[in-house]
Amino acid sequence: GAVVSQHPSWVICKSGTSVKIECRSLDFQATTMFWYRQFPKQSLMLMATSNEGSKATYEQGVEKDKFLINHASLTLSTLTVTSAHPEDSSFYICSARETSDYNEQFFGPGTRLTVL
Amino acid sequence: GQNIDQPTEMTATEGAIVQINCTYQTSGFNGLFWYQQHAGEAPTFLSYNVLDGLEEKGRFSSFLSRSKGYSYLLLKELQMKDSASYLCAVLDSNYQLIWGAGTKLIIKP
Repeated sequence: GAVVSQHPSWVICKSGTSVKIECRSLDFQATTMFWYRQFPKQSLMLMATSNEGSKATYEQGVEKDKFLINHASLTLSTLTVTSAHPEDSSFYICSARETSDYNEQFFGPGTRLTVL
Repeated sequence: GQNIDQPTEMTATEGAIVQINCTYQTSGFNGLFWYQQHAGEAPTFLSYNVLDGLEEKGRFSSFLSRSKGYSYLLLKELQMKDSASYLCAVLDSNYQLIWGAGTKLIIKP
């Protein structure tokens, strides 16, 4: 149990285009989902916390108009990188916290974004 | 501020034992996690400690001392596949995960 999927696994796009990444909790309900970004050889950096049915809370320095987050259901959250640029190239990872278990986060496999 | 410290890199020999330390200073404490992350992959859960003491799970054990703000991950009978980064993370009073920078473990034959 407690499986989180992400789609796509990797994506290559041209500068200026928008990319949508989906995060799904497959066998549990997640009121809270988290979006992380990880640059090579660095630790995870929390970008935003997404609660089902409400606006996401963004970490300092993360542009909410550039990284659009939608958490419309208890099993799906999406991150859209708008007008992507090469500096947005990174490994994006989502995690989900089960409604009944306040502590553990389950991670998706990650999405590698390369912007040319 | 909130801070989690762990060594940047460690090297050990296949078949040996290695201990990865983690110290933390956070606003509140609701548990400490250890995750394993192989290059290019997402983290995978290893352990969760919220009470003092040692939790053993196969070749991996995790220890916590809340009074000292200290934890360690102990890996026994090291295998080449254990080469990875090990991330220490603390759940603070807001149930937010505060991440360490990770310890890269290199296993040599």
